[in-house]
Amino acid sequence: RKEVEQDPGPFNVPEGATVAFNCTYSNSASQSFFWYRQDCRKEPKLLMSVYSSGNEDGRFTAQLNRASQYISLLIRDSKLSDSATYLCVREKGGSQGNLIFGKGTKLSVKP
Amino acid sequence: GAGVSQTPSNKVTEKGKYVELRCDPISGHTALYWYRQSLGQGPEFLIYFQGTGAADDSGLPNDRFFAVRPEGSVSTLKIQRTERGDSAVYLCASSLWAGGPYNEQFFGPGTRLTVL
Repeated sequence: RKEVEQDPGPFNVPEGATVAFNCTYSNSASQSFFWYRQDCRKEPKLLMSVYSSGNEDGRFTAQLNRASQYISLLIRDSKLSDSATYLCVREKGGSQGNLIFGKGTKLSVKP
Repeated sequence: GAGVSQTPSNKVTEKGKYVELRCDPISGHTALYWYRQSLGQGPEFLIYFQGTGAADDSGLPNDRFFAVRPEGSVSTLKIQRTERGDSAVYLCASSLWAGGPYNEQFFGPGTRLTVL
């Protein structure tokens, strides 16, 4: 299994739709997980950290399942401005600061 | 306030040449990271510094790559004898401290390196 694996998409959805991205990871030693967002030809920006209890930030909900080594991101009421690539990220076990990124999932929200 | 800055924004060089890429972190951030990103891929970790010392350099692909942060602020990534496969966007990030879910890494705009 690749270190962090994501469906590359693209996901093409209409405005207002709910869309879910999934991600699997290979190393159970990881302690911290994140979703980053990257716009075309721009730098990645942190969208949210992912906690075992699940966490929500407005229209975005992230879940972590350590037993299945699985992370998800749910976006409700999609906006045009949500169009971007969403990167699933885990922190390398034993090396705080060493982030391992997936290839990203591309989302395109259409009017 | 000012974010992470990187210079140059673009660098075109010939195979076999030496290049230096510079990163200015956010003021007060003690941790600094280098990644590189190829087209269609996520960023790939290269090295990170906590203060002046390299805390983890396990991502440097070979001994042609070297990075320094002599005063614990600005960092330079140095690539010797560049190869076409080194072409990528080199991203720098900084954070207050290294690691954990509460230390957001802020990325700079990157340096796009093209080796001809």
